[in-house]
Amino acid sequence: NAGVTQTPKFQVLKTGQSMTLQCAQDMNHEYMSWYRQDPGMGLRLIHYSVGAGITDQGEVPNGYNVSRSTTEDFPLRLLSAAPSQTSVYFCASRTGGWWYFGPGTRLTVT
Amino acid sequence: GENVEQHPSTLSVQEGDSAVIKCTYSDSASNYFPWYKQELGKRPQLIIDIRSNVGEKKDQRIAVTLNKTAKHFSLHITETQPEDSAVYFCAASRSGGYQKVTFGTGTKLQVIP
Repeated sequence: NAGVTQTPKFQVLKTGQSMTLQCAQDMNHEYMSWYRQDPGMGLRLIHYSVGAGITDQGEVPNGYNVSRSTTEDFPLRLLSAAPSQTSVYFCASRTGGWWYFGPGTRLTVT
Repeated sequence: GENVEQHPSTLSVQEGDSAVIKCTYSDSASNYFPWYKQELGKRPQLIIDIRSNVGEKKDQRIAVTLNKTAKHFSLHITETQPEDSAVYFCAASRSGGYQKVTFGTGTKLQVIP
């Protein structure tokens, strides 16, 4: 199993640009989440999904959209990038109580 | 919602000494407490977890303790080694279905050889 994969690993955007961060898992996990990690703030939940076709907002959803058309894929869309969205983004999926994280995407918005 | 506080934010220990990281939580209904280790530039990885029906759990050199009455839990690392250097996150959640996990702000542990 590849586990949880994310692309790209690094991305630089200009303010106002849009893009999609890709996340996929091959473990048939129902639950998936997107987190952002900022220095001194831990991991904060952006959006999550409890299964294909079902998504909901987390703690910091503004400026982001998600969809879950299949069990495997859970892309995160930045609608109009802002410097405040500079962060490291982690996708995660869960079985039982254990969350498995992807390798992360480091995003810089200039 | 749940609030998890973690202390200290940084911790330096000599190789071979013990390290203790402490967390408190606010939601009395939380009953699952995982700990994650994140090495520099890497993803967080679960290292140990504890559920509320257990007061202590050990796995080789790491142990977690839980005091439900006081709503705090701790990570203990004994005989620290340089490869233990990382950022450690505590977390808390309820169990059953999808439950949001609330993470602490992290402790950067440095083990000095």
